[in-house]
Amino acid sequence: DAGITQSPRHKVTETGTPVTLRCHQTENHRYMYWYRQDPGHGLRLIHYSYGVKDTDKGEVSDGYSVSRSKTEDFLLTLESATSSQTSVYFCAISGLAGGPGQFFGPGTRLTVL
Amino acid sequence: DQQVKQNSPSLSVQEGRISILNCDYTNSMFDYFLWYKKYPAEGPTFLISISSIKDKNEDGRFTVFLNKSAKHLSLHIVPSQPGDSAVYFCAGTKVQGAQKLVFGQGTRLTINP
Repeated sequence: DAGITQSPRHKVTETGTPVTLRCHQTENHRYMYWYRQDPGHGLRLIHYSYGVKDTDKGEVSDGYSVSRSKTEDFLLTLESATSSQTSVYFCAISGLAGGPGQFFGPGTRLTVL
Repeated sequence: DQQVKQNSPSLSVQEGRISILNCDYTNSMFDYFLWYKKYPAEGPTFLISISSIKDKNEDGRFTVFLNKSAKHLSLHIVPSQPGDSAVYFCAGTKVQGAQKLVFGQGTRLTINP
């Protein structure tokens, strides 16, 4: 298994509070990604990183920011959480030897009340 | 604008028979397609991929077929086993450094004994 961990695994918070989710990899991969999974939508890309301090927006980036100060860590921040951000968040790294594909972390279930 | 669509939310198949999961896409710029399998409370796991220049790729019990003219791909699982019960996501991507996967909504496959 690829060495990807996410913390926390579960979080309940209130509307308006800041939240930071952490993704940690031990594979030294250059590319890291944050997705959210919602019923009826599959997984949607929030932000991605192509190196330390290099990040870019994905499909659903509004309300989210990211930071990558070290190769192994990619942080996702909700500056002021809203109920629409209740979701399961997955971090991923690429890539698979010899082809495309991403390894995913175990996910963080976030509930915003 | 759903670039990747899985129109069947669920599929039920008898153990030992063939499972066929379908996926349609609209973005002609994708140059790779991937299938992921997801169990509850876990991250998606890569299953198999296919390049847009091929029409078939096989890996053990899993075969993916690509019909570019119809913008359609399918995943065949033969024979189906109880452990195959999971949610399956198809995804498309253009491999250009970062792989920004675009996922379908997912199909829940249930294998009945």
